[in-house]
Amino acid sequence: DVKVTQSSRYLVKRTGEKVFLECVQDMDHENMFWYRQDPGLGLRLIYFSYDVKMKEKGDIPEGYSVSREKKERFSLILESASTNQTSMYLCASSPGIEAFFGQGTRLTVV
Amino acid sequence: GENVEQHPSTLSVQEGDSAVIKCTYSDSASNYFPWYKQELGKRPQLIIDIRSNVGEKKDQRIAVTLNKTAKHFSLHITETQPEDSAVYFCAASLTGGGNKLTFGTGTQLKVEL
Repeated sequence: DVKVTQSSRYLVKRTGEKVFLECVQDMDHENMFWYRQDPGLGLRLIYFSYDVKMKEKGDIPEGYSVSREKKERFSLILESASTNQTSMYLCASSPGIEAFFGQGTRLTVV
Repeated sequence: GENVEQHPSTLSVQEGDSAVIKCTYSDSASNYFPWYKQELGKRPQLIIDIRSNVGEKKDQRIAVTLNKTAKHFSLHITETQPEDSAVYFCAASLTGGGNKLTFGTGTQLKVEL
């Protein structure tokens, strides 16, 4: 069974804080993704990575950055959290076709 | 880039009826179209997918159809059951490029007893 694990299920952070969301997959997938899920807007791609140390912007990268130092780990960074970044964040990994999702991190910025 | 539109946003059916969810995509180069089901509080999971060289695919009570010319694809669920209640997302991508999925906005399906 593919396992994609996100470090936190729920997070509450203050405006202006630097926030790290961590994602680890155990299937040696090359591709990893960060999505944001908001009601009525579906899943929107923030950043993705095809390989270690490689990253590409998705559709809504503003206010976010990522890091992929090891193949199994893909981190999403909110440089200075704002209230409009309150959302559900979903990590996914893929060997090339099917995407496997983590359980999600519900981030609240107060 | 790719844009995927999904309708309806909510769908309520009686148990045993059929449910149909429709999506359109904009990029004619897209060649992979998966459908994900997300139950309340859980992660999205793939339920069926179709590639552009196939017009229809069926797996028990669910089926997906693809019209490449019109850039439409649809999910059909027959004999709906309460456990089919969930949010369904369609998506489109071009395989070979890391499979960056572009998702629709989701359909909340409610199957009523």
